Amino acid sequence: EVQLVESGGGLVKPGGSLRLSCAASGFTFSNYNMNWVRQAPGKGLEWVSSISSGSSYIYYADLVKGRFTISRDNAENSLYLQMNSLRAEDTAVYYCAKLGGSGRNVDYWGQGILVTVSS
Amino acid sequence: QTVVTQEPSLTVSPGGTVTLTCASNTGAVTSSYYPNWFQQKPGQAPRALIYSTNKKHSWTPARFSGSLLGGKAALTLSGVQPEDEAEYYCLLYDGDAQVFGGGTKLTVL
Repeated sequence: EVQLVESGGGLVKPGGSLRLSCAASGFTFSNYNMNWVRQAPGKGLEWVSSISSGSSYIYYADLVKGRFTISRDNAENSLYLQMNSLRAEDTAVYYCAKLGGSGRNVDYWGQGILVTVSS
Repeated sequence: QTVVTQEPSLTVSPGGTVTLTCASNTGAVTSSYYPNWFQQKPGQAPRALIYSTNKKHSWTPARFSGSLLGGKAALTLSGVQPEDEAEYYCLLYDGDAQVFGGGTKLTVL
């Protein structure tokens, strides 16, 4: 059974940093591309970043480019999102999501972790 | 900057059929955008339903189907069940980026 479990969320002040982790199990993590997707309270889904299976290809949404860094450790079956210079508008539930074999479909989602940016 | 538009809300009767659409401000949605569809119920993570326009996951109920319709991606629910009441999101692949639609709130009444 595929499981994706996010951790590392919480309350942080504007301008602060936070590192999210996603522990993956139930599939061969090193074979699949991964996403971070967020959802602000009461709002829709927003793609944040993607990383290929071997970390060769990394992409970011314009809103987070230069502030967020996605990475992965295939030996530890883990995905990360380092978030710096956080703003109030980064407040959201952050989801880790697995992409399917084609790399063009999201098939499994974690339960999400809340990040609140507030003074 | 690609903007993806969905109907904000739709209402359907139990047992009825409804089609949700997903449009791009850059032009017609084609299979090259690899349209994905997701269902999200309150307090839950999204659940994948459809990918690559019309392919179903192993868990996708048969009453859900995907297509291209009039330059848009479409999700059709046939024989709607009360448990289908949810928010539905489309996702388009735009080059290296991924863009979600704003979501359609489907009410079953």
